[in-house]
Amino acid sequence: QLQLQESGPGLVKPSETLSLTCTVSGGSINSSSYFWGWIRQPPGKGLEWIGYIYYSGSTYYNPSLRSRVTISVDTSKNQFSLKLSSVTAADTAVYYCARIQRDAFDVWGQGTMVTVSS
Amino acid sequence: QAGLTQPPSVSKGLRQTATLTCTGNSNNVGNQGAPWLQQHQGHPPKLLSYRNNSRPSGISERFSASRSGNTASLTITGLQPEDEADYYCSAWDSSLSAWVFGGGTKLTVL
Repeated sequence: QLQLQESGPGLVKPSETLSLTCTVSGGSINSSSYFWGWIRQPPGKGLEWIGYIYYSGSTYYNPSLRSRVTISVDTSKNQFSLKLSSVTAADTAVYYCARIQRDAFDVWGQGTMVTVSS
Repeated sequence: QAGLTQPPSVSKGLRQTATLTCTGNSNNVGNQGAPWLQQHQGHPPKLLSYRNNSRPSGISERFSASRSGNTASLTITGLQPEDEADYYCSAWDSSLSAWVFGGGTKLTVL
């Protein structure tokens, strides 16, 4: 059964770069059938799409975050990663990674809370 | 950025039927359909339906999705206590070139 697991620091200082990794197990990230995405959810609020990546490395980002976001993939480790630069308190959220199949986010990681604070 | 519109809350009785709505426009729901997600407090979202309204394996037949024009709907029949959760619709917006989500509907089962 496919599982996704986010990992990375839970606390990031303002103006620094948030870095998270999503490890995929029980299946290969190296598949032409799927995309791999990042979504976040501020405390008590709704979901916001950050971006997604294809196994080939092609990326697509939320226009509102594009200038600060980089998503990359490491097929040898079955992982994909998120970097969000120049963070502020507004970037405090639970960050989820998810698989995209048939135009839907069909498998989700458990999520990791990231707090931006000095 | 513009998102999809969902009522903030819906309350229904045990074993009743709830219909949740999600309104977008011709660039998202009207064109692409709208997958639905269920999220229990403290847990990640779970996919309930694909954009063609089909259900993933393991999702109860009590959940059914549909679309009319720019509005998507999720109907939950025979409400159970475990159906109490937040429900989100989502869609690819071809104008924004972005995935958009609804603000979520909190379903309370009385």
